[in-house]
Amino acid sequence: GAGVSQSPSNKVTEKGKDVELRCDPISGHTALYWYRQSLGQGLEFLIYFQGNSAPDKSGLPSDRFSAERTGGSVSTLTIQRTQQEDSAVYLCASNKRGKGGETQYFGPGTRLLVL
Amino acid sequence: AQRVTQPEKLLSVFKGAPVELKCNYSYSGSPELFWYVQYSRQRLQLLLRHISRESIKGFTADLNKGETSFHLKKPFAQEEDSAMYYCALSAPRGGGADGLTFGKGTHLIIQP
Repeated sequence: GAGVSQSPSNKVTEKGKDVELRCDPISGHTALYWYRQSLGQGLEFLIYFQGNSAPDKSGLPSDRFSAERTGGSVSTLTIQRTQQEDSAVYLCASNKRGKGGETQYFGPGTRLLVL
Repeated sequence: AQRVTQPEKLLSVFKGAPVELKCNYSYSGSPELFWYVQYSRQRLQLLLRHISRESIKGFTADLNKGETSFHLKKPFAQEEDSAMYYCALSAPRGGGADGLTFGKGTHLIIQP
């Protein structure tokens, strides 16, 4: 079956521009996660959705980052006024219930480069 | 706050030799622990989780609460085991979220 998909695969942007990253979770998965993978920081948790609600936004690195999810399915992560330190691979994952011990299924990631 | 530590950035062993990738954690509650693996040009995927007590691709990991460790072991390494390995902890965050806290990863290289 189809796994988690993300678009675009790669994104190059200029400092100061806004970018939108998209995640399509596995059908039927109510929980959706965003992570950032960068050289210096490893894999960092950004935000989590249960349905369309994001109970915990404390992982977002700054107020330039926001995310939404509609229809309990697709999610977009938006970065406003991008900075060079935002360059990283942004990973999305999903699972059925979002409970501890449950496997998360990862997408291929979006590689963002801010020039 | 929870933390996961993988002390080795890079581990290189010869084919057929035993492998142990170290993972230590700090968390005040009862953690759920995982090992995720990323092979070259593939997406991150689950290798094993402690609650399943299973062996996947010959790998095992035992949760040691006294030492707060979850080391990954394999008795005889194979070349196809070369990959990036991440230890991860699942713990409830504000609002009940269960995002994973990852270690920084260990790059395992199996030499022929």
